[in-house]
Amino acid sequence: GAGVSQSPSNKVTEKGKDVELRCDPISGHTALYWYRQRLGQGLEFLIYFQGNSAPDKSGLPSDRFSAERTGESVSTLTIQRTQQEDSAVYLCASSLGGIGPDTQYFGPGTRLTVL
Amino acid sequence: AQSVAQPEDQVNVAEGNPLTVKCTYSVSGNPYLFWYVQYPNRGLQFLLKYITGDNLVKGSYGFEAEFNKSQTSFHLKKPSALVSDSALYFCADRSGGATNKLIFGTGTLLAVQP
Repeated sequence: GAGVSQSPSNKVTEKGKDVELRCDPISGHTALYWYRQRLGQGLEFLIYFQGNSAPDKSGLPSDRFSAERTGESVSTLTIQRTQQEDSAVYLCASSLGGIGPDTQYFGPGTRLTVL
Repeated sequence: AQSVAQPEDQVNVAEGNPLTVKCTYSVSGNPYLFWYVQYPNRGLQFLLKYITGDNLVKGSYGFEAEFNKSQTSFHLKKPSALVSDSALYFCADRSGGATNKLIFGTGTLLAVQP
């Protein structure tokens, strides 16, 4: 079946511009996660959505970062007034959700470059 | 704070030899441990996970991992390495509480020489 998809695959923007990154989770997955992967580093958790519950935003690095999710489908990560340190690969993952450590399945990521 | 350590930035192994990629975790409740692999310019692919039960977990592509509670380790292993196994490997632990977010190690680059 279809996996997690993300768009765009690459995004180059100028410092100070806003960007939107999109994630389409696996159909039927109620949980959705955003992570950031800086060059040569591991993944940092950004935000977590589970069904209709309030999202866990504890990983968002600043108030320039926000994310929304429409029901149990598409999610958009928005970065306002981008800075060069925002350059990274942004990865989205989804899982069945619910109680317990279920497996997260990752999309291919969006590579963001801020000039 | 919960953390995952991958002490080796890179592991080199000859094709056909056994490989081990090391991972240790900090103790905080029950660990739920995962291994993912990342090929160049691609997302992470799930390999295997330990939740409970047998300490030896078998996963995709012939990989396995051994959970060792006394050493707080979850090393990834494969009896015979392939050149195509060359990739970046990440160990992760699920955080506690209501959020299922994963805490990742910094990754280990596996290079298999022909």
